[in-house]
Amino acid sequence: EVQLVESGGGLVQPGGSLRLSCAASGFTFSSYWMTWVRQSPGKGLEWVANIKHDGSRIYYVDSVKGRFTISRDDAKTSVYLQMNSLRAEDTAVYYCARDLRDRDNSGYFGYWGQGTLVTVSS
Amino acid sequence: QSALTQPRSVSGSPGQSVTISCTGTSSDVGAYKYVSWYQQDPGKAPKLLIYDVDKRPSGVPDRFSGSKSGNTASLTISGLQAEDEADYYCCSYAGSSYVFGTETKVTVL
Repeated sequence: EVQLVESGGGLVQPGGSLRLSCAASGFTFSSYWMTWVRQSPGKGLEWVANIKHDGSRIYYVDSVKGRFTISRDDAKTSVYLQMNSLRAEDTAVYYCARDLRDRDNSGYFGYWGQGTLVTVSS
Repeated sequence: QSALTQPRSVSGSPGQSVTISCTGTSSDVGAYKYVSWYQQDPGKAPKLLIYDVDKRPSGVPDRFSGSKSGNTASLTISGLQAEDEADYYCCSYAGSSYVFGTETKVTVL
């Protein structure tokens, strides 16, 4: 069974940093693109970043470029999101997601974690 | 990237059909076949309903169907059921990025 478990969320002051983790199990982690999607309270979904199965390609939404870094550790079957220079508008539930098909980045997020809440406030 | 445009809400009685539109541009929906739809219950993670415009993952009832014409994709729920009351989002590949639609709340009357 595919499982994605996020951790690392919490309350942080504007300008601060936080590192989110997503522990994956139940599939061949090294064969899948991994993605972070966020959802601000009461708002819609926003794609944040994704990383290719071999780590050779990484993409970000414009609003987080230069502040967030996505990475993966295939040995630990985990994907991470390092978030620096956090702003109030980064407040959201952050979901880790896996593409439906291996070696595919069509953006079909077939599996999701339960999400972790990040609150940026003084 | 601007969010794709969806109606804020749609409603229907049990057994009826409802359709949710998703309007993008020639840089996203109109440019690629990589359109998907998600259902989200309150407090839960989204669930993939449709991919490749009109394909359903295993386990998704066939009353959910998708289509696309030009810059607009559509999700149709046929034979509406009480458990279909939820929020729905479309999503499109936009060339090295992805853009979601604005939320559509489906109400079963």
